[in-house]
Amino acid sequence: EAGVAQSPRYKIIEKRQSVAFWCNPISGHATLYWYQQILGQGPKLLIQFQNNGVVDDSQLPKDRFSAERLKGVDSTLKIQPAKLEDSAVYLCASSWGRGTSGFPGTQYFGPGTRLTVL
Amino acid sequence: RKEVEQDPGPFNVPEGATVAFNCTYSNSASQSFFWYRQDCRKEPKLLMSVYSSGNEDGRFTAQLNRASQYISLLIRDSKLSDSATYLCVVNHGFNKFYFGSGTKLNVKP
Repeated sequence: EAGVAQSPRYKIIEKRQSVAFWCNPISGHATLYWYQQILGQGPKLLIQFQNNGVVDDSQLPKDRFSAERLKGVDSTLKIQPAKLEDSAVYLCASSWGRGTSGFPGTQYFGPGTRLTVL
Repeated sequence: RKEVEQDPGPFNVPEGATVAFNCTYSNSASQSFFWYRQDCRKEPKLLMSVYSSGNEDGRFTAQLNRASQYISLLIRDSKLSDSATYLCVVNHGFNKFYFGSGTKLNVKP
C-alpha cells in the first residue's frame, strides 16, 4: 500500500516570499491533517479536512497560511508571505476516519517538507 | 496549560535496561490515547494505541490511568534500535489529536 506522499522534501526561501506544499494521502483516507513541527517540539495541528470540508483550522494563522483540498483527495498548504518563525517541518497525515471501535483511525504521516526561511 | 505534557529527557540507558515514560493530559474527556515513535529527521509512526485495560506488544507495555490523567510506556530489554523520541498523543474526539513534545530515549551499548 502506498504511503502518504509529500513534496517538496526541502525548501529554502527568503522571508516575505511565498511557498506551497503538496500532499497526497493514502487512497481512501477521508481525513487529512497538516501539522507544523518546530525543532524540539511535537507536531501542532494546523488544519484538518474531512473529505473536502474543513473540520478544524483554529490554529492556522489565516493571515498568511491557507490550505485547500478541492476534490477530497490531495491537498495544498500555502504560506504567503513567509516569516522567519515559519521555519519548521510541515507534516501531512491521513486517516481512514473512525476505526472499528468508533475511535479515530490511526494516522499515517508523510515524510514531511522541511522549510527554512532566511 | 498544555493539553499533553511529557518529560523531554533525554533518558540515557544501557542496552537491556527497562525504562518508563509518563505523559499527562489535561482534558478529562479525552477519548483515546497513543504512543508514536519518531526517529531523527523522520515522520512519526504509530507504536501502539493505549487501551483502558492496558496493553502489551512484545517488549512494550502501555498503561492508562484516567483518574490521574496520565499514560505510561514501559520498554523492557532496551535495544539500540529503540533510540528515538516517543510522542504521547491524546484524542478528544472528532479525529482531533494533540501531541506532546516527546521524550528522547538514548540506548547506549
